Amino acid sequence: DAGVTQSPTHLIKTRGQQVTLRCSPKSGHDTVSWYQQALGQGPQFIFQYYEEEERQRGNFPDRFSGHQFPNYSSELNVNALLLGDSALYLCASSSPPMQAFFGQGTRLTVV
Amino acid sequence: QQQVKQSPQSLIVQKGGISIINCAYENTAFDYFPWYQQFPGKGPALLIAIRPDVSEKKEGRFTISFNKSAKQFSLHIMDSQPGDSATYFCAASETMTTDSWGKLQFGAGTQVVVTP
Repeated sequence: DAGVTQSPTHLIKTRGQQVTLRCSPKSGHDTVSWYQQALGQGPQFIFQYYEEEERQRGNFPDRFSGHQFPNYSSELNVNALLLGDSALYLCASSSPPMQAFFGQGTRLTVV
Repeated sequence: QQQVKQSPQSLIVQKGGISIINCAYENTAFDYFPWYQQFPGKGPALLIAIRPDVSEKKEGRFTISFNKSAKQFSLHIMDSQPGDSATYFCAASETMTTDSWGKLQFGAGTQVVVTP
């Protein structure tokens, strides 16, 4: 079992650009959640996908969008990047009863 | 507004000692309380979790104590080892409602350093 895998592991983007991050959930999991973790802080919930639809969303602007595919994998898209978007982006997969497993994250640096 | 407050921000403990991390919450709808361990450059890994119907849960050297009336819970790491040096996060979630299921609210984290 490969667990939750994210790609890429690191990337550097310029302000104003767009970025796409990818996540493959743990086998048997149908729910994918995305979190943003700024340096020295706890992860902040961005949104969650279930059955290819956004089920709930945290306090993030519309520049953050996502998608879930029929195989349960997911993408996080961020448009018009700001310096403040620099963070570790974490994907977590889960399935009832609850236990969420996190990937290793994608470190995004905006310059 | 942070829904889960965690303390201390950091702590140093000697090998063999006990590390204690505390968390408090306000939302009484929370019914699932996990603890995560995170090493630098890695994603959080689930350590242990508890639900409000029990006051304590132990797994190996890790114990969660839960006080429902005080809306507080804590992690105790017994016989701390240098390999336990990491950042620990408490979290909370509602699991009984579809709209909130799976959304984890994290504390700010506690950096634990275990000295040899």
